[in-house]
Amino acid sequence: RKEVEQDPGPFNVPEGATVAFNCTYSNSASQSFFWYRQDCRKEPKLLMSVYSSGNEDGRFTAQLNRASQYISLLIRDSKLSDSATYLCAAKGTGGFKTIFGAGTRLFVKA
Amino acid sequence: NAGVTQTPKFQVLKTGQSMTLQCAQDMNHNSMYWYRQDPGMGLRLIYYSASEGTTDKGEVPNGYNVSRLNKREFSLRLESAAPSQTSVYFCASSEGELTLNTGELFFGEGSRLTVL
Repeated sequence: RKEVEQDPGPFNVPEGATVAFNCTYSNSASQSFFWYRQDCRKEPKLLMSVYSSGNEDGRFTAQLNRASQYISLLIRDSKLSDSATYLCAAKGTGGFKTIFGAGTRLFVKA
Repeated sequence: NAGVTQTPKFQVLKTGQSMTLQCAQDMNHNSMYWYRQDPGMGLRLIYYSASEGTTDKGEVPNGYNVSRLNKREFSLRLESAAPSQTSVYFCASSEGELTLNTGELFFGEGSRLTVL
């Protein structure tokens, strides 16, 4: 079982829709959490870090639930340009290893 | 400001051949990483270097060796390539734990390796 798991999708949504991704992690010692975005045949880039209190960046909201060991990403008012693969990641104690989930593919249609 | 630079970008090998993937970062980061990415598997950590002079195994280290040559450079070596090592390899760097930071990873553009 992977240390970080997420639904691979794909999620096919129309423009303007709200879509939510969940991700679970098994290492309870994980301390930092992230969502990365990866476009086709490109490198991953940080979308946002995830804090215990939850955080928002424009149309994107990230939440962390330590008790249930999952993180979520909510995208509101989806744009065509949001089409990509979204990777969740957890960084554990000893702090240096960042482990990724397999990624969730999102297709936003006109 | 180049960020993280990987070479080569593409490589085709025959089974049993060896090769080294090179990675360099110009952001003065302490930590560096090598990941491989396969369809349906996401990014899997091969090896990482928390700081200059140290290296540690990740999730899938078998068949690979690494060298942290200096603070800037972190190379990945395949001693005897196998078809199962056909993948896209990403090098990444981060500031590391020595500073207060989010732990953001900065990735190179990737190296596509095919082993026949």
